[in-house]
Amino acid sequence: GESVGLHLPTLSVQEGDNSIINCAYSNSASDYFIWYKQESGKGPQFIIDIRSNMDKRQGQRVTVLLNKTVKHLSLQIAATQPGDSAVYFCAENNYGQNFVFGPGTRLSVLP
Amino acid sequence: EAGVAQSPRYKIIEKRQSVAFWCNPISGHATLYWYQQILGQGPKLLIQFQNNGVVDDSQLPKDRFSAERLKGVDSTLKIQPAKLEDSAVYLCASSSHPEVSDYNEQFFGPGTRLTVL
Repeated sequence: GESVGLHLPTLSVQEGDNSIINCAYSNSASDYFIWYKQESGKGPQFIIDIRSNMDKRQGQRVTVLLNKTVKHLSLQIAATQPGDSAVYFCAENNYGQNFVFGPGTRLSVLP
Repeated sequence: EAGVAQSPRYKIIEKRQSVAFWCNPISGHATLYWYQQILGQGPKLLIQFQNNGVVDDSQLPKDRFSAERLKGVDSTLKIQPAKLEDSAVYLCASSSHPEVSDYNEQFFGPGTRLTVL
């Protein structure tokens, strides 16, 4: 499949380590956020979401942290696996308006 | 449950030619989206349909892009004439009716990669 992005910021982590992917969002009024994972040749896939009335939400091996003061979102992946290699996007939404996607970060898992 | 289907997966055309992409959303999903994803960037919304009506087409370059969803199910996106800068992946996504959830999870298709030479 085609590459999603050839010049994206890249995070390289060792298999088994924890990964932290960061995202700065643009609209202080945004109230809902999603992290997507996009593998080569595929469309974005939902990972985890968080509403603005929360600052942390956990899923299976993933945690999203929201800091509204500095408009920052992070995705933590525990025990990173080779299958986690992909491009990760954050997306923000302002009270039901359309989602605005960030530029993406490529996660590369080293054996 | 079948996912969002798109065709073709790849298309190569010369500038000034026309091209059309097709999308079949998940069965029962009322909302359909077309996104443009330029290499190295996140997806950008082009148009959103609610059933067969347009909800948002503010970022659609209407001089060359058009889209329709005549029966409220599948949709086509057309570019005529294509420019070099239209080279991108065109993603279709669908979500359930807004009344089902405040924020509807969007399910994406695999995309169509367009190369304009």
